[in-house]
Amino acid sequence: AQTVTQSQPEMSVQEAETVTLSCTYDTSENNYYLFWYKQPPSRQMILVIRQEAYKQQNATENRFSVNFQKAAKSFSLKISDSQLGDTAMYFCAFTPQGGSEKLVFGKGTKLTVNP
Amino acid sequence: GAGVSQSPSNKVTEKGKDVELRCDPISGHTALYWYRQSLGQGLEFLIYFQGNSAPDKSGLPSDRFSAERTGGSVSTLTIQRTQQEDSAVYLCASSLAVTSGVETQYFGPGTRLLVL
Repeated sequence: AQTVTQSQPEMSVQEAETVTLSCTYDTSENNYYLFWYKQPPSRQMILVIRQEAYKQQNATENRFSVNFQKAAKSFSLKISDSQLGDTAMYFCAFTPQGGSEKLVFGKGTKLTVNP
Repeated sequence: GAGVSQSPSNKVTEKGKDVELRCDPISGHTALYWYRQSLGQGLEFLIYFQGNSAPDKSGLPSDRFSAERTGGSVSTLTIQRTQQEDSAVYLCASSLAVTSGVETQYFGPGTRLLVL
């Protein structure tokens, strides 16, 4: 079975500082994709960043970057220069290539950015 | 363009009643997904549509749950004889048809269902 584990239920960071959210996954697939989604109190799930497993280069989107360690099956999210608007639940998700491509989610990390 | 929309935003019902939840995907998105988010839990997959067919229904928790999609667009998730454990946020997502690689899923705001 494919599983995604987020070991940090809650985290907090001061505004303008850097924070890293952890995610590990378990799969026997070789071709797959990983995602970080953000869910603010409005409930709208918003894609933060995605990573293709076949790409060795870590994905980056502005202040958001990932540290993808395929052998360790680890996919952490680093948020630089944290902003108050980054306060949200963050979900790590996995999908194998092919089939229905349904997402398998972790249970999420609640991030609070303090002023 | 418009994103994924869902209605109603909130639904309160009594145990044993049937409910229908609606999802309007992004125009042109042929793939549609339903997920359920229970309190304090991550999202769990319910069903996947490609066009009007549902090749993956593996996440539907019981035969009280069903879904359909018409015209390759709007989808309805129906829960019959609702139970208190059905209380959750039901999220819909859509994506472009897969050509090569995995398409990003775009989510709607969800329907919060409360069964009393």
